[in-house]
Amino acid sequence: DTGVSQNPRHKITKRGQNVTFRCDPISEHNRLYWYRQTLGQGPEFLTYFQNEAQLEKSRLLSDRFSAERPKGSFSTLEIQRTEQGDSAMYLCASSFRSGGASDTQYFGPGTRLTVL
Amino acid sequence: DAKTTQPTSMDCAEGRAANLPCNHSTISGNEYVYWYRQIHSQGPQYIIHGLKNNETNEMASLIITEDRKSSTLILPHATLRDTAVYYCIVRGMNSGYSTLTFGKGTMLLVSP
Repeated sequence: DTGVSQNPRHKITKRGQNVTFRCDPISEHNRLYWYRQTLGQGPEFLTYFQNEAQLEKSRLLSDRFSAERPKGSFSTLEIQRTEQGDSAMYLCASSFRSGGASDTQYFGPGTRLTVL
Repeated sequence: DAKTTQPTSMDCAEGRAANLPCNHSTISGNEYVYWYRQIHSQGPQYIIHGLKNNETNEMASLIITEDRKSSTLILPHATLRDTAVYYCIVRGMNSGYSTLTFGKGTMLLVSP
């Protein structure tokens, strides 16, 4: 299967610890997106990359959050000094964008973070 | 991007067609209608999208009204595995055709 993969699938951490999640997009996809989903809500956009460039960040992405996509392939999302409010499902999606047309995003299975 | 309105929940009998409505009365001409679904504890799954014309693929059909102010997702023969939250999303130039703005969606329950 060559879909979007995310690791780890589950992460339990204590408040104040740092955590890092990884996303491997579909091969040849130039765009990579991060979303966050809390219980009972739809996913909320955090940030996205086109190749290695981070093009947009949501105001939801506080200073404790940082995302990278160093070689335009996989991406990491790091949360520093985690808080209980960071508990959520973190979703990654990828797409191939060419020109100005709308592209279709394909999602990974998500990483569920629990902050104790 | 235009906002969407969907019913909170719907029921469907297994084997019957599931018709999920979506209202997007403020949609503009360059905005697409996308449908995703999310089965419990999984990532959203792309279903179908369209701009003006009706669309069909192996999963579903998308019917867009002529004025584009509403659409209907049709699952022709619902199965128990189609039980999920279905999201209707309008995506356009305001977001640079980039981000997806999810609402709360419609919880479809398919029963035997």
